[in-house]
Amino acid sequence: DAGVTQSPTHLIKTRGQHVTLRCSPISGHKSVSWYQQVLGQGPQFIFQYYEKEERGRGNFPDRFSARQFPNYSSELNVNALLLGDSALYLCASSLPGVTYGYTFGSGTRLTVV
Amino acid sequence: DQQVKQNSPSLSVQEGRISILNCDYTNSMFDYFLWYKKYPAEGPTFLISISSIKDKNEDGRFTVFLNKSAKHLSLHIVPSQPGDSAVYFCAASDALGGATNKLIFGTGTLLAVQP
Repeated sequence: DAGVTQSPTHLIKTRGQHVTLRCSPISGHKSVSWYQQVLGQGPQFIFQYYEKEERGRGNFPDRFSARQFPNYSSELNVNALLLGDSALYLCASSLPGVTYGYTFGSGTRLTVV
Repeated sequence: DQQVKQNSPSLSVQEGRISILNCDYTNSMFDYFLWYKKYPAEGPTFLISISSIKDKNEDGRFTVFLNKSAKHLSLHIVPSQPGDSAVYFCAASDALGGATNKLIFGTGTLLAVQP
């Protein structure tokens, strides 16, 4: 069975640009969450989507947005990139309410220059 | 406001000995706690968890202890193996409402197991 897949694995963008990161959950998982991990810190919650609806949002500016598609895959969009957006972006999928079933992808390493 | 804290950035242990990783939290409403292990260039991998109604959970070489009165949990690895060398994150589950939740992570502890 395929795990959580994320694309691309690495990305370099310039300040002010826009970026789209993609995530495919484990088959059967209907909930997708996004986390940002800055070097030296733990992952920080950005969004959670379940059944295409936003169920939670972390303390991130409106430049960050996401959506979930009918096949439960998801996109994370970041506009007007700042140097501080450089981080590992992690996607996790889970069955709703099942905390031990939280499976992470390998992440997208975003570097903003 | 760091609700989940791992005060030891790193820990070095000899192979075969016990590794003890600690975690403190501030929010008494957290109902579930998890430990994740992370290797470089990989996503966090679930290791073990504990519900707030328990004080101990064991899975092979890994045991998690929860002290609710102290708002403290710890992960014990016995015996430690070189392959256990990784960053360990403590996380707490925070309900978003309905059947959804988010995880609040600590800053991680880098465990190095020396052969």
